[in-house]
Amino acid sequence: AQTVTQSQPEMSVQEAETVTLSCTYDTSESNYYLFWYKQPPSRQMILVIRQEAYKQQNATENRFSVNFQKAAKSFSLKISDSQLGDTAMYFCAFMTRNNNDMRFGAGTRLTVKP
Amino acid sequence: EPEVTQTPSHQVTQMGQEVILRCVPISNHLYFYWYRQILGQKVEFLVSFYNNEISEKSEIFDDQFSVERPDGSNFTLKIRSTKLEDSAMYFCASSRENEKLFFGSGTQLSVL
Repeated sequence: AQTVTQSQPEMSVQEAETVTLSCTYDTSESNYYLFWYKQPPSRQMILVIRQEAYKQQNATENRFSVNFQKAAKSFSLKISDSQLGDTAMYFCAFMTRNNNDMRFGAGTRLTVKP
Repeated sequence: EPEVTQTPSHQVTQMGQEVILRCVPISNHLYFYWYRQILGQKVEFLVSFYNNEISEKSEIFDDQFSVERPDGSNFTLKIRSTKLEDSAMYFCASSRENEKLFFGSGTQLSVL
Protein backbone atom coordinates (compact mmCIF):
# COMPACT_ATOMS: atom_id res chain seq x y z
CA ALA A 1 0.00 0.00 0.00
CA GLN A 2 1.12 3.51 -0.72
CA THR A 3 1.48 5.99 2.11
CA VAL A 4 2.04 9.72 2.01
CA THR A 5 3.54 11.57 4.96
CA GLN A 6 3.51 15.29 5.59
CA SER A 7 5.45 15.90 8.78
CA GLN A 8 4.64 19.60 9.16
CA PRO A 9 1.07 20.10 10.42
CA GLU A 10 1.43 23.89 10.37
CA MET A 11 3.82 26.41 8.89
CA SER A 12 3.94 30.16 8.54
CA VAL A 13 5.88 32.52 6.31
CA GLN A 14 6.16 36.25 5.85
CA GLU A 15 4.68 37.71 2.71
CA ALA A 16 7.19 37.81 -0.16
CA GLU A 17 9.43 35.20 1.43
CA THR A 18 10.01 31.59 0.41
CA VAL A 19 8.68 28.51 2.18
CA THR A 20 9.16 24.79 1.60
CA LEU A 21 6.60 22.15 2.50
CA SER A 22 7.81 18.60 2.98
CA CYS A 23 6.32 15.36 1.73
CA THR A 24 7.60 11.82 1.73
CA TYR A 25 5.93 8.74 0.37
CA ASP A 26 6.37 5.03 0.38
CA THR A 27 5.74 2.80 -2.59
CA SER A 28 7.10 -0.22 -4.39
CA GLU A 29 5.87 1.12 -7.72
CA SER A 30 8.28 2.57 -10.25
CA ASN A 31 5.79 4.54 -12.31
CA TYR A 32 3.60 7.01 -10.50
CA TYR A 33 2.52 10.61 -10.22
CA LEU A 34 2.86 13.10 -7.41
CA PHE A 35 0.74 16.16 -6.82
CA TRP A 36 0.35 19.11 -4.55
CA TYR A 37 -3.20 20.30 -3.99
CA LYS A 38 -4.19 23.53 -2.27
CA GLN A 39 -7.33 23.74 -0.15
CA PRO A 40 -8.26 27.31 0.78
CA PRO A 41 -10.90 28.08 3.43
CA SER A 42 -13.58 27.51 0.79
CA ARG A 43 -12.47 23.83 0.98
CA GLN A 44 -12.15 23.47 -2.78
CA MET A 45 -9.32 21.23 -3.95
CA ILE A 46 -7.10 23.09 -6.39
CA LEU A 47 -4.21 21.45 -8.20
CA VAL A 48 -0.98 23.36 -7.65
CA ILE A 49 1.58 21.20 -9.41
CA ARG A 50 2.10 17.72 -10.82
CA GLN A 51 5.24 15.58 -11.21
CA GLU A 52 5.65 12.38 -13.20
CA ALA A 53 8.04 9.96 -11.53
CA TYR A 54 9.83 9.04 -14.74
CA LYS A 55 10.80 12.66 -15.34
CA GLN A 56 13.99 13.75 -13.61
CA GLN A 57 13.34 17.43 -14.15
CA ASN A 58 11.54 19.11 -11.30
CA ALA A 59 8.16 20.56 -12.19
CA THR A 60 7.63 24.31 -11.89
CA GLU A 61 4.49 26.38 -12.13
CA ASN A 62 5.11 30.10 -11.76
CA ARG A 63 5.98 30.69 -8.07
CA PHE A 64 5.59 27.00 -7.23
CA SER A 65 8.28 24.42 -7.76
CA VAL A 66 9.07 20.99 -6.44
CA ASN A 67 12.19 19.19 -5.32
CA PHE A 68 11.59 15.61 -6.39
CA GLN A 69 14.10 13.12 -4.99
CA LYS A 70 12.98 9.73 -6.27
CA ALA A 71 15.57 7.65 -4.45
CA ALA A 72 14.70 9.33 -1.17
CA LYS A 73 10.97 9.24 -1.98
CA SER A 74 10.72 12.90 -1.20
CA PHE A 75 8.56 15.50 -2.94
CA SER A 76 8.75 18.95 -1.38
CA LEU A 77 6.93 22.06 -2.55
CA LYS A 78 8.64 25.43 -2.65
CA ILE A 79 6.55 28.57 -2.76
CA SER A 80 8.51 31.66 -3.74
CA ASP A 81 7.41 35.24 -3.16
CA SER A 82 4.61 34.07 -0.88
CA GLN A 83 1.31 35.92 -1.18
CA LEU A 84 -1.53 36.30 1.28
CA GLY A 85 -3.71 34.26 -1.07
CA ASP A 86 -1.38 31.30 -0.62
CA THR A 87 -2.79 30.81 2.88
CA ALA A 88 -4.42 27.37 2.75
CA MET A 89 -4.05 23.71 3.57
CA TYR A 90 -1.64 21.98 1.22
CA PHE A 91 -1.98 18.28 0.52
CA CYS A 92 0.64 16.12 -1.06
CA ALA A 93 -0.83 13.26 -3.09
CA PHE A 94 0.35 10.09 -4.80
CA MET A 95 -1.21 8.21 -7.67
CA THR A 96 0.01 5.04 -9.37
CA ARG A 97 -0.21 4.72 -13.11
CA ASN A 98 -2.17 1.49 -12.87
CA ASN A 99 -4.68 2.04 -10.14
CA ASN A 100 -5.81 5.53 -10.87
CA ASP A 101 -6.63 6.22 -7.26
CA MET A 102 -5.03 9.11 -5.46
CA ARG A 103 -3.91 9.00 -1.83
CA PHE A 104 -3.33 12.12 0.22
CA GLY A 105 -1.06 13.11 3.06
CA ALA A 106 -2.46 14.62 6.24
CA GLY A 107 -1.88 18.16 4.99
CA THR A 108 0.14 21.19 6.04
CA ARG A 109 -1.66 24.34 7.07
CA LEU A 110 0.27 27.29 5.65
CA THR A 111 -0.31 30.82 6.88
CA VAL A 112 1.20 33.75 5.01
CA LYS A 113 1.61 36.74 7.31
CA PRO A 114 1.57 40.34 6.10
CA GLU B 1 -12.31 25.43 -17.93
CA PRO B 2 -14.62 22.41 -17.53
CA GLU B 3 -15.75 21.68 -13.99
CA VAL B 4 -16.95 18.83 -11.86
CA THR B 5 -20.33 19.79 -10.42
CA GLN B 6 -21.66 18.51 -7.13
CA THR B 7 -25.13 18.89 -5.70
CA PRO B 8 -26.30 19.75 -3.14
CA SER B 9 -23.59 21.91 -1.58
CA HIS B 10 -25.02 21.15 1.87
CA GLN B 11 -27.10 18.18 2.99
CA VAL B 12 -28.56 17.75 6.45
CA THR B 13 -30.07 14.41 7.38
CA GLN B 14 -31.20 12.42 10.38
CA MET B 15 -29.19 9.47 11.56
CA GLY B 16 -30.41 6.29 9.88
CA GLN B 17 -31.69 8.04 6.78
CA GLU B 18 -30.46 7.36 3.28
CA VAL B 19 -28.71 10.11 1.35
CA ILE B 20 -27.63 10.39 -2.25
CA LEU B 21 -24.88 12.76 -3.20
CA ARG B 22 -24.77 13.74 -6.82
CA CYS B 23 -21.94 14.60 -9.13
CA VAL B 24 -21.61 15.49 -12.78
CA PRO B 25 -18.05 14.67 -13.88
CA ILE B 26 -16.32 16.35 -16.78
CA SER B 27 -17.82 14.95 -19.95
CA ASN B 28 -14.80 13.32 -21.59
CA HIS B 29 -13.41 11.85 -18.37
CA LEU B 30 -13.42 8.12 -17.82
CA TYR B 31 -12.41 7.75 -14.17
CA PHE B 32 -14.59 8.85 -11.30
CA TYR B 33 -13.87 9.06 -7.61
CA TRP B 34 -15.36 9.87 -4.25
CA TYR B 35 -13.32 11.24 -1.39
CA ARG B 36 -14.35 12.50 2.00
CA GLN B 37 -12.84 14.91 4.46
CA ILE B 38 -13.92 15.04 8.06
CA LEU B 39 -13.53 18.59 9.34
CA GLY B 40 -9.91 19.36 10.12
CA GLN B 41 -8.64 16.02 8.89
CA LYS B 42 -7.06 14.61 5.76
CA VAL B 43 -8.78 13.87 2.50
CA GLU B 44 -9.61 10.17 2.44
CA PHE B 45 -10.14 8.00 -0.61
CA LEU B 46 -13.47 6.17 -0.73
CA VAL B 47 -13.87 4.62 -4.17
CA SER B 48 -12.86 4.82 -7.79
CA PHE B 49 -15.05 3.84 -10.71
CA TYR B 50 -14.20 2.99 -14.29
CA ASN B 51 -16.04 1.32 -17.13
CA ASN B 52 -19.22 1.06 -15.10
CA GLU B 53 -17.70 -0.75 -12.18
CA ILE B 54 -15.76 -0.09 -9.02
CA SER B 55 -12.04 -0.35 -9.71
CA GLU B 56 -10.86 0.22 -6.16
CA LYS B 57 -12.37 0.98 -2.78
CA SER B 58 -11.00 1.74 0.65
CA GLU B 59 -11.83 0.16 3.98
CA ILE B 60 -14.13 3.09 4.66
CA PHE B 61 -16.35 2.12 1.73
CA ASP B 62 -18.34 -0.60 3.47
CA ASP B 63 -21.75 -2.09 2.67
CA GLN B 64 -23.47 1.14 3.67
CA PHE B 65 -21.97 2.87 0.65
CA SER B 66 -22.70 2.37 -3.01
CA VAL B 67 -21.96 4.23 -6.22
CA GLU B 68 -23.81 4.38 -9.45
CA ARG B 69 -23.60 5.97 -12.83
CA PRO B 70 -27.30 5.94 -13.67
CA ASP B 71 -26.95 7.71 -17.01
CA GLY B 72 -24.24 9.16 -19.20
CA SER B 73 -23.57 12.17 -17.06
CA ASN B 74 -24.27 11.60 -13.35
CA PHE B 75 -22.20 9.78 -10.76
CA THR B 76 -23.82 9.25 -7.38
CA LEU B 77 -22.75 8.17 -3.92
CA LYS B 78 -25.43 6.61 -1.74
CA ILE B 79 -25.18 6.10 1.99
CA ARG B 80 -27.93 3.71 3.00
CA SER B 81 -28.24 4.36 6.72
CA THR B 82 -26.26 7.38 7.79
CA LYS B 83 -24.32 7.48 11.03
CA LEU B 84 -23.09 10.49 12.97
CA GLU B 85 -19.53 9.72 11.91
CA ASP B 86 -20.52 10.04 8.24
CA SER B 87 -20.65 13.81 8.72
CA ALA B 88 -17.97 15.17 6.40
CA MET B 89 -17.29 17.01 3.19
CA TYR B 90 -17.66 14.61 0.28
CA PHE B 91 -15.68 15.38 -2.85
CA CYS B 92 -16.32 13.95 -6.26
CA ALA B 93 -13.48 13.93 -8.78
CA SER B 94 -12.93 12.81 -12.32
CA SER B 95 -9.97 12.34 -14.63
CA ARG B 96 -8.80 11.03 -17.92
CA GLU B 97 -6.38 8.13 -17.73
CA ASN B 98 -3.21 8.86 -15.77
CA GLU B 99 -3.93 12.56 -15.53
CA LYS B 100 -4.72 14.92 -12.73
CA LEU B 101 -7.94 14.68 -10.85
CA PHE B 102 -10.42 17.50 -11.15
CA PHE B 103 -12.37 17.96 -7.94
CA GLY B 104 -15.85 19.28 -7.43
CA SER B 105 -16.61 21.88 -4.76
CA GLY B 106 -17.87 19.23 -2.38
CA THR B 107 -21.07 18.38 -0.54
CA GLN B 108 -21.04 19.06 3.18
CA LEU B 109 -23.04 16.27 4.80
CA SER B 110 -24.30 16.81 8.34
CA VAL B 111 -25.85 13.85 10.12
CA LEU B 112 -27.90 14.80 13.17
